[in-house]
Order: sequence, then structure tokens, then C-alpha cells
Amino acid sequence: DVQLVESGGGLVQPGRSLRLSCATSGFTFGDYAINWVRQAPGKGLEWVSFIRSKVYGRRTESAASVKGRFTISRDDSKGIAYLQMNSLTTEDTAVYYCTRLRSSWADYWGQGTLVTVSS
Amino acid sequence: QSALTQPASVSGSPGQSITISCTGTSSDVGGYNYVSWYQQHPGKAPKLLISEVTNRPSGVSNRFSGSKSGNTASLTISGLQAEDEADYYCSSHTSSNTYVFGSGTKVTVL
Repeated sequence: DVQLVESGGGLVQPGRSLRLSCATSGFTFGDYAINWVRQAPGKGLEWVSFIRSKVYGRRTESAASVKGRFTISRDDSKGIAYLQMNSLTTEDTAVYYCTRLRSSWADYWGQGTLVTVSS
Repeated sequence: QSALTQPASVSGSPGQSITISCTGTSSDVGGYNYVSWYQQHPGKAPKLLISEVTNRPSGVSNRFSGSKSGNTASLTISGLQAEDEADYYCSSHTSSNTYVFGSGTKVTVL
């Protein structure tokens, strides 16, 4: 079975950093792009960032709201994707989901990890 | 990139059909056949319902169907059931090679 498990969330002060991990199993990680999507409390889904597979040069794209602060990366040997989040603000408080990206749709989702930015 | 526009809520009685719209622009919904739909029950992760405007993944009920006309995509739920009560989101690839979600629609089964 395809599984994605996020970790690394928690309470962090504004201006600080946090790194989220997305551990995967059940598929050939290196063949797929990985996506991060977030959902603020009581709000809708917001696309955050994706990283393509090695075949596509591990190309990355990020939403304007996080560009320059968040960096997505991947370790194909471990089957793990990461989201490095710097200069966090209260606006970044959300549940962060990692997803497998098949072409242009997220076909499998993790259970999410909560990031709370507060002093 | 602004969120795609969806109605905040849609309701229907069991057995009825409802349609949720998702309106974007020629730079997203209208420009690509890469519209997908997701269902999210409270406290759960979203689940893929429809990809590439009309394709239903294995395991998804055939009561769910998708379509698109111009800059507006639609999700139709036929034979509405109590278990369909959830939030629904559309998503589209964009001309900036990014993605955008819709604002979300809460479906209530009366």
C-alpha cells in the first residue's frame, strides 16, 4: 500500500525555523513528484510547493506566499521529502500534508502534521 | 494566484443530484485539462475523487462525475448519500506551472 507519513510539526515561535519530513513507502519514490499542501485552522486547502522527480531535474516550484522562505527537497535513497520552513509567521499556522503528485493531481495524501506558529 | 471560486455551500436531499462549480480563468481551469477534485471529511486528509477533469480513480464511486466548460469545471454527485456530506475542493494546474485550489464547498445532505 502507498503510504506517506508527515512528521516534524509542532509549536514554534515567529521568526524561527522548522523542517517537516514526509516518509513514504509502497511505491518507487524516485519516479514521482512530491507535493506539500497546507490547511489553516477552519480554512481551505492551499498549495505550497512541489518537487519533480530526477527525470525532470528535481525541478521545484513554490507558492508566492512561501517563496524565499520555504525550501522543498528530497532524498530518493531514503524515500523521504522535506519542507524546510524559515522565517515563520503566524500566517503559516496550518496542518501540512504531503502528497504524491501523479502528473497534475495528488493521488495519495499523508495524514498531515500540525504546525503552530505562536509566541 | 487567487483561489478558484466555488460556492460556499450546496445542499440536497438523499437520492438527489447536486453540482458544485469551480470557476477560474484561461490561465488555469480554462487553459488545461488538469482539473482535479478532492473530498475531505472533518478531521481527515483529502481524498482524490476526479483527475484530469473527468477521470475517476479506481475505487471512487461512479456517482461522482466531472466536466468542464470554458473557465468553469463542475463536480456532480448523483444519488446523494449521507456519507457524501463533506467539504469538496477543486484544483487546477496554472500557466505559471504552479497549482491552485478552489475556495471549497461544504455539502450538506438534508
